[in-house]
Amino acid sequence: KAGVTQTPRYLIKTRGQQVTLSCSPISGHRSVSWYQQTPGQGLQFLFEYFSETQRNKGNFPGRFSGRQFSNSRSEMNVSTLELGDSALYLCASSLGGDADEQYFGPGTRLTVT
Amino acid sequence: AQKITQTQPGMFVQEKEAVTLDCTYDTSDQSYGLFWYKQPSSGEMIFLIYQGSYDEQNATEGRYSLNFQKARKSANLVISASQLGDSAMYFCARENSGGYQKVTFGTGTKLQVIP
Repeated sequence: KAGVTQTPRYLIKTRGQQVTLSCSPISGHRSVSWYQQTPGQGLQFLFEYFSETQRNKGNFPGRFSGRQFSNSRSEMNVSTLELGDSALYLCASSLGGDADEQYFGPGTRLTVT
Repeated sequence: AQKITQTQPGMFVQEKEAVTLDCTYDTSDQSYGLFWYKQPSSGEMIFLIYQGSYDEQNATEGRYSLNFQKARKSANLVISASQLGDSAMYFCARENSGGYQKVTFGTGTKLQVIP
């Protein structure tokens, strides 16, 4: 069974630009969660999508948005990039039930210059 | 905000010895799940072990066991017979029942296994 895949793995953008990251979950998983990991703030929950609907949301500004497609693939978009958005963005998939184990992808490392 | 606290930013352990990584948490929920993840330098988060708040017994997965003390809100990870490949960041995390996949992570402990 293929694992969670994330594309691209590395990305360099400049301030003010926007970026879209992609996550393909494990086959059969309907939940995709996104996390931001930085040295200063650690791992922070961004949002979770289940069956194409945002089910949970963390405390991030509206510049961070996401969506999920009918095949459970998910995209995350960040508009008007700031230097502080430089981070490792991890997505995780699960069946979506209560306390189900999450399987993480390798992450996308975003650098904003 | 309900926090996860990992008080050990870094730890060393001799190969083949056991090591305990500490984790305490805040919660007002009656039902919740606790997880431990390993993150090698490659960046990928690897699930290690899960403990439900209503589980009577401590969870075990191979060389990993979770020392769960509900009254103290403590969920320490014990790694037995440490191996060089265990060198990594370890994160404790909590999911709230009803919060589905909304998971709160601790700040992590960097474990280094010494030959």
